[in-house]
Amino acid sequence: AQSVSQHNHHVILSEAASLELGCNYSYGGTVNLFWYVQYPGQHLQLLLKYFSGDPLVKGIKGFEAEFIKSKFSFNLRKPSVQWSDTAEYFCAVNAKGGKLIFGQGTELSVKP
Amino acid sequence: NAGVTQTPKFQVLKTGQSMTLQCAQDMNHNSMYWYRQDPGMGLRLIYYSASEGTTDKGEVPNGYNVSRLNKREFSLRLESAAPSQTSVYFCASSARDSRFNYGYTFGSGTRLTVV
Repeated sequence: AQSVSQHNHHVILSEAASLELGCNYSYGGTVNLFWYVQYPGQHLQLLLKYFSGDPLVKGIKGFEAEFIKSKFSFNLRKPSVQWSDTAEYFCAVNAKGGKLIFGQGTELSVKP
Repeated sequence: NAGVTQTPKFQVLKTGQSMTLQCAQDMNHNSMYWYRQDPGMGLRLIYYSASEGTTDKGEVPNGYNVSRLNKREFSLRLESAAPSQTSVYFCASSARDSRFNYGYTFGSGTRLTVV
């Protein structure tokens, strides 16, 4: 069965620190991969997505992610976080039937 | 452009009551989805509709029913609410073809409490 695993449940960083959130997936078919962000009290918004081609994907707000097929990973990175990046981050992979399977989420707290 | 509109935003039900959550999208997307979000459990798929006229069960369908009324609207019904259904419910829609799912657009959510 398809699944997504996010290893970090809660990450606490100081402003200007670098960020890397791990995401591993299992899916045997052609993968579409996504990172979503949910700010406190809001709905999920798309940060970036990978369909094919360049495995390094750039998204909004300075975020990027790298697809490593051999490791079944799609880690999210940002060189320098800001207090406004405090949110919950979800990795997702497409599944059979067009559904998205989401990871459990990683809560990011950035201290000013 | 409203995107995905969910109503209501908040609801409190008594155990055993019924209600319908409404969802409409104006992006001409063919696929629509209902998820519930619970702390520490991420988003779990309740039901989805890959295209108008079709619906399928997701990961946690028990206690729910859905109706894909037309291409725009996809409603979720709780026939007899239980406290375990206390959650935040999100509707989403997406454009997809045989190869790609182009990602979801989410509604703003419904916070449901069953007492």
